[in-house]
Amino acid sequence: DAKTTQPPSMDCAEGRAANLPCNHSTISGNEYVYWYRQIHSQGPQYIIHGLKNNETNEMASLIITEDRKSSTLILPHATLRDTAVYYCIVRVRGTGGFKTIFGAGTRLFVKA
Amino acid sequence: NAGVMQNPRHLVRRRGQEARLRCSPVKGHSHVYWYRQLPEEGLKFMVYLQKENIIDESGMPKERFSAEFPKEGPSILRIQQVVRGDSAAYFCASSPPRGDSGNTIYFGEGSWLTVV
Repeated sequence: DAKTTQPPSMDCAEGRAANLPCNHSTISGNEYVYWYRQIHSQGPQYIIHGLKNNETNEMASLIITEDRKSSTLILPHATLRDTAVYYCIVRVRGTGGFKTIFGAGTRLFVKA
Repeated sequence: NAGVMQNPRHLVRRRGQEARLRCSPVKGHSHVYWYRQLPEEGLKFMVYLQKENIIDESGMPKERFSAEFPKEGPSILRIQQVVRGDSAAYFCASSPPRGDSGNTIYFGEGSWLTVV
C-alpha cells in the first residue's frame, strides 16, 4: 500500500503557482519523498525528490516540513500542459529492496 | 523519460494468444520494474528484477504472467493465453543499483495491450 495521502483533485489558474500537498506521517528518517506526474496516455515522469531539505529544479520545488510528515510540490507558474495526475511517493521496502508504489495521486486541472 | 525503451508501443492479441512486451532499460541501469495500468485506474506494481534475478514479484498474477531480465538483452514481460481483462497499459521502469530509498526510477512510454 502507498504510504502517502493526497487530495484527489485540485484546480489552478494558468500562470499561477500550483501547490500540491502530500501527507506521509509514517515516513522513516532515511526515506525519500518522490514526486512523479502522469500526463494522459504517457509514462510517469519524474519531477523531484528530497529527504530533509527543500529542493528545487527546473520543473518544481519541493518543500518538506521539519517533522517530515508532509510535503508540498510547487509548480511556480502552471501552464495548461501541467494538467496531469501528480503522485507523491515514499518508496516501500519490499523483498530485496525498495519499490515505488503509486497511490491515487492528485488530478491537477490547470485552467485558462 | 531518460531513455527507457519499450516495444511494441501497441499490441493487439486475440484471446488465447501470447503477448510479449520488451523493455530496454537506461544504459547502465541493472534494475527493472514492471507496472500495469488498467483503463481509468492507477499504476499497479507487478515485478522487480535485476539481471538474471527476480527480486520481488508480489504484484504478479499467479498464473499466465512471467517476467525475465536476462544477462544480455531486454527485459521481457510475457502473458500467456491472454484474456480481455489483460487489456491495459504496461509500463517499464529502470534504475541504477542503489540500496537505499533514494534511488530514482525512470519510466518508459508504455506498451498498450488490447485483447480482442
